[in-house]
Amino acid sequence: ETGVTQSPTHLIKTRGQQVTLRCSSQSGHNTVSWYQQALGQGPQFIFQYYREEENGRGNFPPRFSGLQFPNYSSELNVNALELDDSALYLCASSLRGGTHSQFFGPGTRLTVL
Amino acid sequence: TQLLEQSPQFLSIQEGENLTVYCNSSSVFSSLQWYRQEPGEGPVLLVTVVTGGEVKKLKRLTFQFGDARKDSSLHITAAQPGDTGLYLCAGVLNTGFQKLVFGTGTRLLVSP
Repeated sequence: ETGVTQSPTHLIKTRGQQVTLRCSSQSGHNTVSWYQQALGQGPQFIFQYYREEENGRGNFPPRFSGLQFPNYSSELNVNALELDDSALYLCASSLRGGTHSQFFGPGTRLTVL
Repeated sequence: TQLLEQSPQFLSIQEGENLTVYCNSSSVFSSLQWYRQEPGEGPVLLVTVVTGGEVKKLKRLTFQFGDARKDSSLHITAAQPGDTGLYLCAGVLNTGFQKLVFGTGTRLLVSP
């Protein structure tokens, strides 16, 4: 059983650019959630995907968007990057229903200059 | 507005000491999870508690879910340097989808 993987590990961008982050869910999991974790803080929920559709969204602007593919992997896209977007972006996979236990990937560290 | 408040924010103790971390909210959660996170890595799930009043033990770690499902605690007995890390509680709100609301985190340092 493979765990959650994310790519790339680190990324440096400049203000105004666009970025795509990728996540492969744990084997057997059909739900993917994305979180933003600023330095020294707990993760903040961005959105969740189930069956290739956005299933719920946190308090993030529309320039944060995502996709889920038939194999349950997912992408997070951020347009018009701002300095405050610098953070660790975490992907978590889970099985819809049950105790809602989510399993996290190692994250992508995004730095916006 | 932070839905889940953790205390203390920082804790520095000696090996062998006991400690308790608290996670409090005014919201009711359908379940609550505790994670530990190492620097530069994603959170690792330690436990999920579901029933009000539930107590779960994981070796030297004891987790309790409040009777009203609004709060939780993590107690570590005889802490070891390997317990060092960021401890996060996360509540699942009954929103119709699996949204985790994370606490502010407790950074624990256990010195030899």
